[in-house]
Amino acid sequence: TQLLEQSPQFLSIQEGENLTVYCNSSSVFSSLQWYRQEPGEGPVLLVTVVTGGEVKKLKRLTFQFGDARKDSSLHITAAQPGDTGLYLCAGEGSSNTGKLIFGQGTTLQVKP
Amino acid sequence: DSGVTQTPKHLITATGQRVTLRCSPRSGDLSVYWYQQSLDQGLQFLIQYYNGEERAKGNILERFSAQQFPDLHSELNLSSLELGDSALYFCASSPPAASGGPETQYFGPGTRLLVL
Repeated sequence: TQLLEQSPQFLSIQEGENLTVYCNSSSVFSSLQWYRQEPGEGPVLLVTVVTGGEVKKLKRLTFQFGDARKDSSLHITAAQPGDTGLYLCAGEGSSNTGKLIFGQGTTLQVKP
Repeated sequence: DSGVTQTPKHLITATGQRVTLRCSPRSGDLSVYWYQQSLDQGLQFLIQYYNGEERAKGNILERFSAQQFPDLHSELNLSSLELGDSALYFCASSPPAASGGPETQYFGPGTRLLVL
């Protein structure tokens, strides 16, 4: 069974601080996605990484896929209150059907 | 707005009852996925349909069933409801992926089910 473990589960920081969220597995994933979910809404895709070692940037967010495609990280620079939300990593299962396996999520609170 | 619609937004029912959740995918998307999100289990994949056919199955209970209709909308049926079935149920849709690459899933706003 493929599992994804996210850490930390909860993070409360001040505006302007940097943070990193980790997503780890013992399994190899063909691709890994990061989502952000706000209360009362569905997850919204932020990025998809496919190649081992790949780095993608989305404004102040930097996503990295591990060389072995078993782990990923999300780094936020100079966090803002608008970054508050639940961040989820999701890996595409080995069956290549599009079935996603989600991590438990990281709840981020950025205080002004 | 992802373009995926789900109804109803909220549902309150009693144990032992049966409910139907409805999902309309984005225009042109052939795949529909159902997920359950609870506090203790996180977001769990239930089942996927592609153009009317079941394509993949996850941790879906036998009391739950789904189908996708010719107009591509999908329904998730939950029966003999238990307290533990209280959760957010999300539908997602995706267009065909290019050259076998990863599919992008667009999530609906969810249906919040409360079983009393």
